[in-house]
Amino acid sequence: DTAVSQTPKYLVTQMGNDKSIKCEQNLGHDTMYWYKQDSKKFLKIMFSYNNKELIINETVPNRFSPKSPDKAHLNLHINSLELGDSAVYFCASSQEGTRYTQYFGPGTRLTVL
Amino acid sequence: TQLLEQSPQFLSIQEGENLTVYCNSSSVFSSLQWYRQEPGEGPVLLVTVVTGGEVKKLKRLTFQFGDARKDSSLHITAAQPGDTGLYLCAGAGAGSYQLTFGKGTKLSVIP
Repeated sequence: DTAVSQTPKYLVTQMGNDKSIKCEQNLGHDTMYWYKQDSKKFLKIMFSYNNKELIINETVPNRFSPKSPDKAHLNLHINSLELGDSAVYFCASSQEGTRYTQYFGPGTRLTVL
Repeated sequence: TQLLEQSPQFLSIQEGENLTVYCNSSSVFSSLQWYRQEPGEGPVLLVTVVTGGEVKKLKRLTFQFGDARKDSSLHITAAQPGDTGLYLCAGAGAGSYQLTFGKGTKLSVIP
């Protein structure tokens, strides 16, 4: 069983489109995250949700909006995609008390043409 | 802003050699993690260290957290081709959910 799963694995789209990436974790964790990894492999936190509340919102454009329907899911919606949004997006989860131990999904490679 | 500097950025060695990767900061972290990431996959947690001076061993991998909790090292003994990958260190500040990642060390072990 996959602990943290993301769909789709690959996403190729045109500039200006709106797209969503889905994430699900079956670990029973209470905190989920979205990270962006650029072409130089630098991982940077974008958002975190704890018990369905946003607790981190780094300086990302407001075209990016996380949505958490329940604590097992954290989706990422991106409006008006730009070339610079091309990257690999990783979802992760952790549990209160061991929140520094984060489990990552396999990533979604987004390519904006 | 807490920053983590990893060195070296790239490392290519022969199978059987030893190596050390460093992760340094001017900031104090309440915990530090090491992850390994393989191409097309997400980072996989190797170890978490929380106490200054702590040493943890995972088979041929030895992790150390600096006494001041500002730095860490990963030592691999007798490297194997299966050790090839991107090694990332990540630190968490006190009371923070946020992990700050280093830029990684790309290790290639040549058979």
